[in-house]
Amino acid sequence: EVQLLESGGGLVQHGGSLRLSCAASGFMFSRHEMCWVRQAPGKGLEWVSGINAGDSRTFYAESVKGRFTISRDNSKNTLYLHMNSLGVEDTATYYCAKYAPTRELDYWGQGTLVTVSS
Amino acid sequence: QTVVTQEPSFSVSPGGTVTLTCGLTSGSVSTTSYPSWYQQTPGQAPRTLMYSTNIRSSGVPDRFSGSILGNRAALTITGAQADDESDYYCLLYMGSGIWVFGGGTKLTVL
Repeated sequence: EVQLLESGGGLVQHGGSLRLSCAASGFMFSRHEMCWVRQAPGKGLEWVSGINAGDSRTFYAESVKGRFTISRDNSKNTLYLHMNSLGVEDTATYYCAKYAPTRELDYWGQGTLVTVSS
Repeated sequence: QTVVTQEPSFSVSPGGTVTLTCGLTSGSVSTTSYPSWYQQTPGQAPRTLMYSTNIRSSGVPDRFSGSILGNRAALTITGAQADDESDYYCLLYMGSGIWVFGGGTKLTVL
């Protein structure tokens, strides 16, 4: 059974940093593209960042480019999101998700809440 | 910057048919946009409904169907049921590794 378990969320001050983790199990993690999606309270979904499987190329939404870094440790089956220079607009539930070969997000974690205080 | 557009809200009667759409402020949605659709109820993670335009994910009832209508992706619910009341999001590939969600459609069944 595929499982994605996010951790690392919490309360952080404006300008601070946080690292999110997503522990994956039930599939060959190293062979799949992964991404982070966030959802601000009462708002819609926002694709934040993605990382390739083979070459670990990374991609970012404009809203986080230069502040967030996505990475993966295939030996630990874990996806990360390093978030710097956090602002109140980054307050959201952050989901990690797995891409299927057909390019949809076929599995999602339950999310971890990040709250940035001003 | 290209934005992915969805109807903010829609209402359908039980047993009725509704088509939600997903477009671009610039350009057309095509199969190379890899359109996919997600359903989300409050407090829950999204659930994948449809991918590659018109392929239902495992366990999704056949009252859900996907298509390209003109220059937009579409999700049609035929014979809507009360538990279809949810938020629906489309996701499109913009190229260069970038994906964008639509703003979501809040579907009411009443």
